[in-house]
Amino acid sequence: AQKVTQAQTEISVVEKEDVTLDCVYETRDTTYYLFWYKQPPSGELVFLIRRNSFDEQNEISGRYSWNFQKSTSSFNFTITASQVVDSAVYFCALSASSGTYKYIFGTGTRLKVLA
Amino acid sequence: ETGVTQTPRHLVMGMTNKKSLKCEQHLGHNAMYWYKQSAKKPLELMFVYNFKEQTENNSVPSRFSPECPNSSHLFLHLHTLQPEDSALYLCASSQITNTGPADPLGEFFGPGTRLTVL
Repeated sequence: AQKVTQAQTEISVVEKEDVTLDCVYETRDTTYYLFWYKQPPSGELVFLIRRNSFDEQNEISGRYSWNFQKSTSSFNFTITASQVVDSAVYFCALSASSGTYKYIFGTGTRLKVLA
Repeated sequence: ETGVTQTPRHLVMGMTNKKSLKCEQHLGHNAMYWYKQSAKKPLELMFVYNFKEQTENNSVPSRFSPECPNSSHLFLHLHTLQPEDSALYLCASSQITNTGPADPLGEFFGPGTRLTVL
């Protein structure tokens, strides 16, 4: 079975605080892909990052960083010095070979950044 | 037009109406998807089309009828819907190969159609 768990339903932080969004996944496949998407109030899901299962190197893109740890089946997302424009719902997703690579989404974490 | 477009953006319909949602992708992808997003629920995959062939139907009620006339267009025909069908309907596309998602940017999503059933 494949599953993505985002245990944090909603997080509120004050602007300029750092915040980490958790994502835990389950799959028995050795080949899989993990994604993070941002859904602002406008509704469209915006791609943020993709990692494949063979690349555990952490990535940093501006204020965003991702920590991929296969040992704990986690793919956490950190926003440094959060801004009001970061307010959105963030989804983690899994795409694995045994699932014909269809996307399994987590339930999302709503992030509210307060000015 | 670029990316994935969806029309209409908003739709209000009665339970006896028939309407259609349209999705168009300009990315040359070979797979298209319909998702339903209800309030406080996870994204639910409804249908998957790969090279115009439906490859997945996740137990979606027959009042939702998809149509994929070509690899760039996807429709969702609606009839005799229920109020609980009110949701955001998202279309997505991707390039899929036997070894996984070929496009490093994953699935591209349209802006969605906000559907309200009265």
